[in-house]
Amino acid sequence: EVQLVESGGGLVKPGGSLRLSCAASGFTFSNAWMSWVRQAPGKGLEWVGRIKSKTDGGTTDYAAPVKGRFTISRDDSKNTLYLQMNSLKTEDTAVYYCTTGVNWNDGPFDYWGQGTLVTVSS
Amino acid sequence: NFMLTQPHSVSESPGKTVTISCTGSSGSIASNYVQWYQQRPGSAPTTVIYEDNQRPSGVPDRFSGSIDSSSNSASLTISGLKTEDEADYYCQSYDSSNHEVVFGGGTKLTVL
Repeated sequence: EVQLVESGGGLVKPGGSLRLSCAASGFTFSNAWMSWVRQAPGKGLEWVGRIKSKTDGGTTDYAAPVKGRFTISRDDSKNTLYLQMNSLKTEDTAVYYCTTGVNWNDGPFDYWGQGTLVTVSS
Repeated sequence: NFMLTQPHSVSESPGKTVTISCTGSSGSIASNYVQWYQQRPGSAPTTVIYEDNQRPSGVPDRFSGSIDSSSNSASLTISGLKTEDEADYYCQSYDSSNHEVVFGGGTKLTVL
């Protein structure tokens, strides 16, 4: 059974940093393209970014609002995905989901974690 | 940037059919696959349609997806509506120019 378990959320002040983790199990993590998707309270889904598998180059892509502030990385030896968030803004307040699916650009996200809440407030 | 536009809300009675649209802002929506997700309050999204018109196992055939190139839009149709279909629905595709995954703004379906 595929499981994605996010952790690391919490309250942080504007301008601060936070690192989220996503522990994966039930599939071959090293072969998977992994994404982060967020959802602000009462709002819709917003893609944050993605990291490809190392065999597909291990490259990252980011949504415009987070480019230059957020960094996605992976540790295949630990089956863990990370989201390093710097220079946080109040508009980054959201539930952050770890997700995966097929290894191509316009494929579905078949598996989602339960999400972790990040609150950016003074 | 490429955007997907959905109606904010739709409502219909049990047993009826409803269609939710998802319109691409530019280019051809048919250039990349479109997915549809259902999200109930407090839960993560689940896929109800992938690759424009494919249903994952376990999703009833009351759910169907289509693409209309003439209107540059995708549609999710739910027939034989049940109260359990009440949820938020999101379309998703890909912006090849900017290398970004794109979600529509979501549509709240009320079954009353």
